[in-house]
Amino acid sequence: QVQLVQSGAEVKKPGASVKVSCKASGYGFTSYDINWVRQATGQGLEWMGWMNPKSGNTGYAQKFQGRVTMTRNTSINTAYMELSSLRSEDTAVYYCARVSAIYCTGGACHGGLFDPWGQGTLVTVSS
Amino acid sequence: QSVLTQPPSVSGAPGQRVTISCTGSSSNLGAGYDVHWYQQLPGTAPKLLIYDNNNRPSGVPDRFSGSKSGTSASLAITGLQAEDEADYFCQSYDTRLSGSQVFGGGTKLTVL
Repeated sequence: QVQLVQSGAEVKKPGASVKVSCKASGYGFTSYDINWVRQATGQGLEWMGWMNPKSGNTGYAQKFQGRVTMTRNTSINTAYMELSSLRSEDTAVYYCARVSAIYCTGGACHGGLFDPWGQGTLVTVSS
Repeated sequence: QSVLTQPPSVSGAPGQRVTISCTGSSSNLGAGYDVHWYQQLPGTAPKLLIYDNNNRPSGVPDRFSGSKSGTSASLAITGLQAEDEADYFCQSYDTRLSGSQVFGGGTKLTVL
C-alpha cells in the first residue's frame, strides 16, 4: 500500500539544524510531489513547502525561505526536509505528505490534495 | 492567522448533524480552487476525509459530506458518533504566493 515512513524524534539545541527523512513506498516516487507541513502542540497545520522528486524543483513558504531546504534521493525513494537556525518556536511535529499537483501553468504544477501523510516526526528545540 | 477561516470548535450529541464552515477569499476558494478536508484523531497524523469539494475516498462513511460555493465550503457530519470526535482541517491552494498550499486553523469536534 502507499506509505510514507518518517525518521524518528529529534532533540536539538537552539541554532542547530535538523534533517527529517520521509521514505516512500507503494507508488512511483517521482510521480508525485512531496510537501512538508508542521504542527505545534495544540495548534493548526502550517504548510512549509513542496518538492518535485523528479526534477528536484522546490518551493518554500515565505516564512521559511532561507532556513528550509527540501531534497531527495531517488535511488532510495526518500525525501528530506532540513531546517536550520532552529529556535524554540520550531518545536513541532513535522509531517511529509504525497501531493498530486494539479494546477499547472508554464510547465509547473502546484496545489492538490495531501494523501497519504507520514506518521510525523517530533522535533524538540531546547537548550 | 490562517488564510482559511474555520470555527475553533463545534459540538453535537450522538446521532445529530453538525457542520463545519471554511471561509476563504477570491485568491483561493473564490478563484475556483478545490477544497479538501482532513480528519485528525488525537495523537495521529491527518487523514484525507473529503477531496475535490465533495468526494469521499474509499472507506470514508457516507455520513461525511462536503460542499463548496463561492468563497466558502462546508463539511457536514450526520448521525454523529463518538469516534468522530477529532480535529478537522480544510485545505486549498492560493494564488497570492506561487505554489502556496493553505490550511484552515482547524475545528475541534466534541461529541457530547
